[in-house]
Amino acid sequence: RKEVEQDPGPFNVPEGATVAFNCTYSNSASQSFFWYRQDCRKEPKLLMSVYSSGNEDGRFTAQLNRASQYISLLIRDSKLSDSATYLCVVIISGGYNKLIFGAGTRLAVHP
Amino acid sequence: EAQVTQNPRYLITVTGKKLTVTCSQNMNHEYMSWYRQDPGLGLRQIYYSMNVEVTDKGDVPEGYKVSRKEKRNFPLILESPSPNQTSLYFCASSPPGGGYTFGSGTRLTVV
Repeated sequence: RKEVEQDPGPFNVPEGATVAFNCTYSNSASQSFFWYRQDCRKEPKLLMSVYSSGNEDGRFTAQLNRASQYISLLIRDSKLSDSATYLCVVIISGGYNKLIFGAGTRLAVHP
Repeated sequence: EAQVTQNPRYLITVTGKKLTVTCSQNMNHEYMSWYRQDPGLGLRQIYYSMNVEVTDKGDVPEGYKVSRKEKRNFPLILESPSPNQTSLYFCASSPPGGGYTFGSGTRLTVV
């Protein structure tokens, strides 16, 4: 079983739609959680951190459920520019903050 | 501008010819890592370093070497490249407990 699992998609949605991505992680020692965005053939870029209380950044909302070991990302009012792959990332506690990446969920927003 | 710089961006080489991919960061980060990204497998860690002269294996270290003689540089060395090392490589750095900043990537083809 992969340490971080995501639905690979693709999610094809029209502009203005609301779309949600889910991610599950298996290591209970996971301490920090992030969503990264990766455009085709480019480097991953930090989209937002994920906190237990849930957090919002404009059209993006992230939630964490530690009991179920589940992370989500909600995108409201999708834009064409949101088309990308979204990576769920977990840091395992220990001496080094090792990032474990999910394989990513691809989003395609169409006019 | 705070950044991680990788070179080269693209490289085609032949089996067995030693090569080095350079990585440099200007943010005084302690942690640096190398990842490879392959379709369907996501990002996998090759090696990481917690500080100068401190390096350790990641999940897929076979066929790679690294060194960390200075804080800002973390080169990736392929002593005898093989076709299965054809991949997209990313260098990343972070402060302890912080989010990672990635380089722009190196697309390596070994023929």
